[in-house]
Amino acid sequence: GQNIDQPTEMTATEGAIVQINCTYQTSGFNGLFWYQQHAGEAPTFLSYNVLDGLEEKGRFSSFLSRSKGYSYLLLKELQMKDSASYLCAVAYSGGYQKVTFGTGTKLQVIP
Amino acid sequence: DTEVTQTPKHLVMGMTNKKSLKCEQHMGHRAMYWYKQKAKKPPELMFVYSYEKLSINESVPSRFSPECPNSSLLNLHLHALQPEDSALYLCASSHGLAGGPGNEQFFGPGTRLTVL
Repeated sequence: GQNIDQPTEMTATEGAIVQINCTYQTSGFNGLFWYQQHAGEAPTFLSYNVLDGLEEKGRFSSFLSRSKGYSYLLLKELQMKDSASYLCAVAYSGGYQKVTFGTGTKLQVIP
Repeated sequence: DTEVTQTPKHLVMGMTNKKSLKCEQHMGHRAMYWYKQKAKKPPELMFVYSYEKLSINESVPSRFSPECPNSSLLNLHLHALQPEDSALYLCASSHGLAGGPGNEQFFGPGTRLTVL
């Protein structure tokens, strides 16, 4: 099976920077996704990494190290609306390609 | 149109009822998914359809029966459910099977199911 770990909860201040980590163990790695999910809503896509390095997209950046089985999502200039759960999801090949979601990190942004 | 729609939004059913959840997308995506999500847990994959054929069944009990009538529609037929099946059921679609750039999943708003 796939093993994906994220911190359960984090708190950060409005305007600050926060880094949400994700570690994984998988065979047939085929990319890592980050999704945002507000309470009671569906997940929405934030970023995708398949090669090592940093992908930047506005206030959000995502980093991947395949050799370490490690990724992080960096959120800059935090806004109150960034309070949500952030899900790390690993794509892997097992006959057919699948995606397994991590348990998610609930981020609370405080004034 | 970059939306995945799901109906109904809420559903309450008894253990002897038969009901169906519906999902629709018009993005030309060829992969569609059903997930189950319990409170404070991540989405759990149930079924994957690729080109209207069932590709993955994650050992889901037979009281859940998926159907893909065409490339835009995905149904989940429910029969003789148990109270522990109460959850948010999410439908998603992607251009191709998950993995690879451009294959991120687009999620519908979900159906919140309560089984009494």
